[in-house]
Amino acid sequence: NAGVTQTPKFQVLKTGQSMTLQCAQDMNHNSMYWYRQDPGMGLRLIYYSASEGTTDKGEVPNGYNVSRLNKREFSLRLESAAPSQTSVYFCASISNFEGLHGYTFGSGTRLTVV
Amino acid sequence: AQRVTQPEKLLSVFKGAPVELKCNYSYSGSPELFWYVQYSRQRLQLLLRHISRESIKGFTADLNKGETSFHLKKPFAQEEDSAMYYCALSVDSWGKLQFGAGTQVVVTP
Repeated sequence: NAGVTQTPKFQVLKTGQSMTLQCAQDMNHNSMYWYRQDPGMGLRLIYYSASEGTTDKGEVPNGYNVSRLNKREFSLRLESAAPSQTSVYFCASISNFEGLHGYTFGSGTRLTVV
Repeated sequence: AQRVTQPEKLLSVFKGAPVELKCNYSYSGSPELFWYVQYSRQRLQLLLRHISRESIKGFTADLNKGETSFHLKKPFAQEEDSAMYYCALSVDSWGKLQFGAGTQVVVTP
């Protein structure tokens, strides 16, 4: 049982390049999330998808887009990368809206934009 | 607006000593609070949630609504407790979490 799988694990981009971070979960979870982790700031929500077919902005959505391709997959796209998007990105999923059972996190994608 | 404050960026303790990680929150509703932990080279994982009142790996956390706090405690720290700890607040029924900035715990022998 893989849980939440993120690809790639590491990526270096030049300013202005685009890329898509992939996330897939095999736990039949309804809700999926993208967070970024920055030193001294904790994790901040970028986008989330409460259920298949829906997506909503989080705290820091600017510069990002998402796609909930199906129940398993939730991708994050950077259309024109900027150095401020250098961060570690985490995908997470949860089985119910109330969060009672906690998130299952992916292993993260470390992105550097030069 | 919701906010989670972890005032200590770094906490260094000796093995066998008590450890307490502070977490304060501001939220107008009924809070649901969590502690997540990230060990070196591992993914974030849930440590505690206040509604379960569990003790995991010797850690406990009590929700104090009067002081709006959810401090994490362990009476005797172990070297394997060295990790980054995040306090998090559930802000709505959609499962979104507001995280604190995190506290790095280093347990030295």
